Amino acid sequence: QKEVEQNSGPLSVPEGAIASLNCTYSDRGSQSFFWYRQYSGKSPELIMFIYSNGDKEDGRFTAQLNKASQYVSLLIRDSQPSDSATYLCAVATHASGGSYIPTFGRGTSLIVHP
Amino acid sequence: KAGVTQTPRYLIKTRGQQVTLSCSPISGHRSVSWYQQTPGQGLQFLFEYFSETQRNKGNFPGRFSGRQFSNSRSEMNVSTLELGDSALYLCASREDRRNRDTEAFFGQGTRLTVV
Repeated sequence: QKEVEQNSGPLSVPEGAIASLNCTYSDRGSQSFFWYRQYSGKSPELIMFIYSNGDKEDGRFTAQLNKASQYVSLLIRDSQPSDSATYLCAVATHASGGSYIPTFGRGTSLIVHP
Repeated sequence: KAGVTQTPRYLIKTRGQQVTLSCSPISGHRSVSWYQQTPGQGLQFLFEYFSETQRNKGNFPGRFSGRQFSNSRSEMNVSTLELGDSALYLCASREDRRNRDTEAFFGQGTRLTVV
């Protein structure tokens, strides 16, 4: 069973702080890693993806990947109340049908308070 | 470019009935996956279709089925509905590349309530 684990939270941070979200995965053969944001009652929205070890920055978001330790993290700088949402980690694992299927963690709830 | 479109948005059915959900992927995307999302289980993979063929399948009973048409639009069917089938059903389309580019884009979802 290929698993993706996330702390369910909630993670509560003050406005302007750095929010750090973590995710571990079990499949060492995983190639691609994604972070989705999901507001309550809405569908997941892709915010970051990363393929190589190291950091990838996009605006206030930084994704970090460490394949040796099998973890991926998301940092949100200068957190805003509008960042309050559930963040889903997805790991693309090789499926028997010959393609890569994203397996999702259950998500971490982030609350940014003013 | 239009996003992924799912219809209907909301649906209420009674136990024992069947339901069909529809998904139109992003233009040019040939892979369509379906997920069930519930508060208790999170996002669970149902199946993936590519070029009108089911390419991968998750651990759901045979009551859950789907198909894909030549224009890549997909339908999902659930027969003999149970209360536990109440969930948000999400469709995701991907531009299929075998090596790695597998970011999935989701539709707005269909909220199914079984009473």
